[in-house]
Amino acid sequence: EPEVTQTPSHQVTQMGQEVILRCVPISNHLYFYWYRQILGQKVEFLVSFYNNEISEKSEIFDDQFSVERPDGSNFTLKIRSTKLEDSAMYFCASRINRPQETQYFGPGTRLLVL
Amino acid sequence: QKEVEQNSGPLSVPEGAIASLNCTYSDRGSQSFFWYRQYSGKSPELIMSIYSNGDKEDGRFTAQLNKASQYVSLLIRDSQPSDSATYLCAVTGGGNKLTFGTGTQLKVEL
Repeated sequence: EPEVTQTPSHQVTQMGQEVILRCVPISNHLYFYWYRQILGQKVEFLVSFYNNEISEKSEIFDDQFSVERPDGSNFTLKIRSTKLEDSAMYFCASRINRPQETQYFGPGTRLLVL
Repeated sequence: QKEVEQNSGPLSVPEGAIASLNCTYSDRGSQSFFWYRQYSGKSPELIMSIYSNGDKEDGRFTAQLNKASQYVSLLIRDSQPSDSATYLCAVTGGGNKLTFGTGTQLKVEL
């Protein structure tokens, strides 16, 4: 069964460093998402991406964040200058094009900013 | 602010019992409703989706939706220890982002 994959599974970085989180969505899916979950808190929407552009973003997704689909398979989230409060689990999700279709989540990247 | 509310629990039920999980949402424009299961340290895994009023059954799981009351529930019959997890209610509205509740922790006791 097709799955969303994410790399790395864990990343430790120093405050102020840039990180890139990578995702490979399910191959026939057209909508891509990033969510994050701070430890002990709820899953929060960051950004959605469709047709090579951002379709919606949250207040969390400020100028320090960017997303890109550099090729036909990868979907990346870049954090330019990490802060301590960026420490969280980051989930990529994808869905097929019909509005009611489920979003399928990848296993997540646990980011720790020191 | 569009909110999804859940009782954080923990909800403890004995093995074999029915677990009832509840969720309310504030946005009347919400169109699609989902229950995800999340084990500690893992990603959300879809259990059920429901789009119209009424009940939807899938194996041991039944989702119930009442749009007039802005209420979604999940029933788990014959609860098993492996059902012990946090259950996340999520909704989408006119946009396609998921808005999650904080989740209800379910403990199924032997």
